[in-house]
Amino acid sequence: DTGVSQDPRHKITKRGQNVTFRCDPISEHNRLYWYRQTLGQGPEFLTYFQNEAQLEKSRLLSDRFSAERPKGSFSTLEIQRTEQGDSAMYLCASSLSTGGRNTEAFFGQGTRLTVV
Amino acid sequence: LAKTTQPISMDSYEGQEVNITCSHNNIATNDYITWYQQFPSQGPRFIIQGYKTKVTNEVASLFIPADRKSSTLSLPRVSLSDTAVYYCLVEGTGGFKTIFGAGTRLFVKA
Repeated sequence: DTGVSQDPRHKITKRGQNVTFRCDPISEHNRLYWYRQTLGQGPEFLTYFQNEAQLEKSRLLSDRFSAERPKGSFSTLEIQRTEQGDSAMYLCASSLSTGGRNTEAFFGQGTRLTVV
Repeated sequence: LAKTTQPISMDSYEGQEVNITCSHNNIATNDYITWYQQFPSQGPRFIIQGYKTKVTNEVASLFIPADRKSSTLSLPRVSLSDTAVYYCLVEGTGGFKTIFGAGTRLFVKA
């Protein structure tokens, strides 16, 4: 396992279209996170999963955003009716939580979304 | 959630030691301090994590005073490839819910 992988790396879409991104975490990691990052800013937390359960969602995650992790392995992030303001880098990370303590998070390379 | 404050940017020269300080006045008892490095168009990469006193690994040292309200990342003998953004995070058992913040942009010059 070479780390967290995200697909696609780049996505250009027209405003109003739906897009879906995929994240494959490190296989033994039980936690998975989604972040959004715009130019010059730090990553903004969107949501995270413990196994297949989505435990927290940021207020940044509007109704147009939905994330799933159906079998506690890979995850998808879908954005419906995209807007130009959705243009950003979407980062996925995973970590191993044991006994309440997190190990370091490993990030993927991200998916860069451009809405035109 | 603890909020962190870091300098926006720092400049250094190759071969120098760089110290980046982060303030986290509201850190909770069970929070850990974690530092990440990010290069353009890449995801952040873990550098070091600590709870108190001093932690050292092959790339950096982390100094945490007794009150834990601040921490200092120390990068020994930086090179041009250390030019990046460095983020300080404070996280508890809940994981990475903490907002990264804008980080510190380190520029290493020849």
